[in-house]
Amino acid sequence: GAVVSQHPSRVICKSGTSVKIECRSLDFQATTMFWYRQFPKKSLMLMATSNEGSKATYEQGVEKDKFLINHASLTLSTLTVTSAHPEDSSFYICSALLRTSGSSYNEQFFGPGTRLTVL
Amino acid sequence: QQQVKQSPQSLIVQKGGISIINCAYENTAFDYFPWYQQFPGKGPALLIAIRPDVSEKKEGRFTISFNKSAKQFSLHIMDSQPGDSATYFCAAIWGSGAGSYQLTFGKGTKLSVIP
Repeated sequence: GAVVSQHPSRVICKSGTSVKIECRSLDFQATTMFWYRQFPKKSLMLMATSNEGSKATYEQGVEKDKFLINHASLTLSTLTVTSAHPEDSSFYICSALLRTSGSSYNEQFFGPGTRLTVL
Repeated sequence: QQQVKQSPQSLIVQKGGISIINCAYENTAFDYFPWYQQFPGKGPALLIAIRPDVSEKKEGRFTISFNKSAKQFSLHIMDSQPGDSATYFCAAIWGSGAGSYQLTFGKGTKLSVIP
């Protein structure tokens, strides 16, 4: 299957600093990428949909000024957590949508996740 | 409103047994139903998926059964192994081709296979 990478896999930062997480589709181009947040023992919560060359679409309740998303190329989307606070500590997962021509079913491939800890 | 309901929340199965996880959905617009497997500290990985025009799909020890009229689908893991211990998420997708796309996850089932 297609591969999606995330960097870094783990980050610890001080409260008030900003953290950038990168999501890359390694072997396919993705016009659409997604950012999720996952709390312990919970399901994935969609934060935003990132479309290449346009502004991200944020889910209700997600602060767009806090979670900055940039999708500058067909293989890279970034999530920047600005002025991070301890409550932002979580597991952040990105995914990339592979649209296959000739098929009705698009596949979503997930990255390995980034564990953010804000002290 | 929870669009995809998954049960049980946790499941303990003996090695060699059958693990069964169930999901039900509300929106008849969903047109693709994948199952994801997630190990601790890792992202979800696609395990198996089914289209609504198929009642069953089997890949190795993993089988999806789909009941369109009941709007239910289930994952069966045959000959369960300790290495299958993970959290499993069902999902429902609507949106094909170049149009809109939405994936909705179930809440997950933590499977523990004991020797």
